[in-house]
Amino acid sequence: QKEVEQNSGPLSVPEGAIASLNCTYSDRGSQSFFWYRQYSGKSPELIMFIYSNGDKEDGRFTAQLNKASQYVSLLIRDSQPSDSATYLCAVNDMEYGNKLVFGAGTILRVKS
Amino acid sequence: GAVVSQHPSRVICKSGTSVKIECRSLDFQATTMFWYRQFPKQSLMLMATSNEGSKATYEQGVEKDKFLINHASLTLSTLTVTSAHPEDSSFYICSAILGGLEQFFGPGTRLTVL
Repeated sequence: QKEVEQNSGPLSVPEGAIASLNCTYSDRGSQSFFWYRQYSGKSPELIMFIYSNGDKEDGRFTAQLNKASQYVSLLIRDSQPSDSATYLCAVNDMEYGNKLVFGAGTILRVKS
Repeated sequence: GAVVSQHPSRVICKSGTSVKIECRSLDFQATTMFWYRQFPKQSLMLMATSNEGSKATYEQGVEKDKFLINHASLTLSTLTVTSAHPEDSSFYICSAILGGLEQFFGPGTRLTVL
């Protein structure tokens, strides 16, 4: 059973701080990793994806991947109250190419 | 990112009726679309993979005769919830793949069965 684990939170950070969201996955053969943001009552929106070990930056967001440790994280710099949402980590299912396995999500609360 | 639309955004129906939800990729062609269901305060649950021109692939535990999926064109997939019951009330979300692996989600359809 392929699994993606996330701390459910809530993770509370003050406005302007760095929020660090973590995710581990069980399938060592996974190749692609995605972070989605989901506001309450809305559908998920893609923030960024990462395929290679190391860091990938996009604006205030940085994804970090460590395949040896089967660990992927998302850093949000200069957190804003509008970043308050549930963050979903997703990993591609190598057995079925395009299918994603989602974690349960981490609730982030940014307090002003 | 790519745009995926869903219609309707919200539907309320009586128990025993059927409801059709449409998912469209607006600015790209999608040979593969996915249908998810999400109950309150729970994560996304993949229901099925919809492939253009072929039968959908259902996840374990999802009744294919109850949740009918049709992917008749490269931009449209439909999910029909047949003989809906209150336990089918949920947030149904579709997604489509752009390029290789990136999935873009539609805005979702909130179904309430009375």
